[in-house]
Amino acid sequence: KAGVTQTPRYLIKTRGQQVTLSCSPISGHRSVSWYQQTPGQGLQFLFEYFSETQRNKGNFPGRFSGRQFSNSRSEMNVSTLELGDSALYLCASSLARGRYEQYFGPGTRLTVT
Amino acid sequence: ELKVEQNPLFLSMQEGKNYTIYCNYSTTSDRLYWYRQDPGKSLESLFVLLSNGAVKQEGRLMASLDTKARLSTLHITAAVHDLSATYFCAVDGGTSGSRLTFGEGTQLTVNP
Repeated sequence: KAGVTQTPRYLIKTRGQQVTLSCSPISGHRSVSWYQQTPGQGLQFLFEYFSETQRNKGNFPGRFSGRQFSNSRSEMNVSTLELGDSALYLCASSLARGRYEQYFGPGTRLTVT
Repeated sequence: ELKVEQNPLFLSMQEGKNYTIYCNYSTTSDRLYWYRQDPGKSLESLFVLLSNGAVKQEGRLMASLDTKARLSTLHITAAVHDLSATYFCAVDGGTSGSRLTFGEGTQLTVNP
């Protein structure tokens, strides 16, 4: 069974630009969560999507948004990029919400210059 | 707000030795996860602990959960170099969803 895939794997953007990251969950998984990992703040929850609806949101500004499609694939968007948005963005999928293991994708390394 | 604390944050040990990593969390939860991360890589799931008293073992690693003490431990037995990595515990504080709060991570180095 294929794992969680994320595209692109690496991205370099300039301050003020916007970026869209994509995540394809494991086949049959319906819940997708996004996390940001930085050396200073560690791993932080961004949002969770299930059945095309955002179910949970972390403490991030409105510049961070996401969506989920009917096939459970998810995208996250960051507008007006700041230097501090440079991070590893990890997507995780699980069968459903609640007491299910989350499987993480390889991540997208975003560098903002 | 749920807080998760790990200690130690850095651990350097010799091959063959035993050690324990501790994970304390601040609010009630019965869902705790341990992950391993190698440099530049993603998170690999090690253990899922879903009830008080849960104990799971895989190779040289054993994890346990005490929900009353809000404490989980990851015990390393007879460490080998291949275990060198960063280990994270994460607590799911969502009432019905999936929202992991991670500890700071423990960077483990096993020296020959």
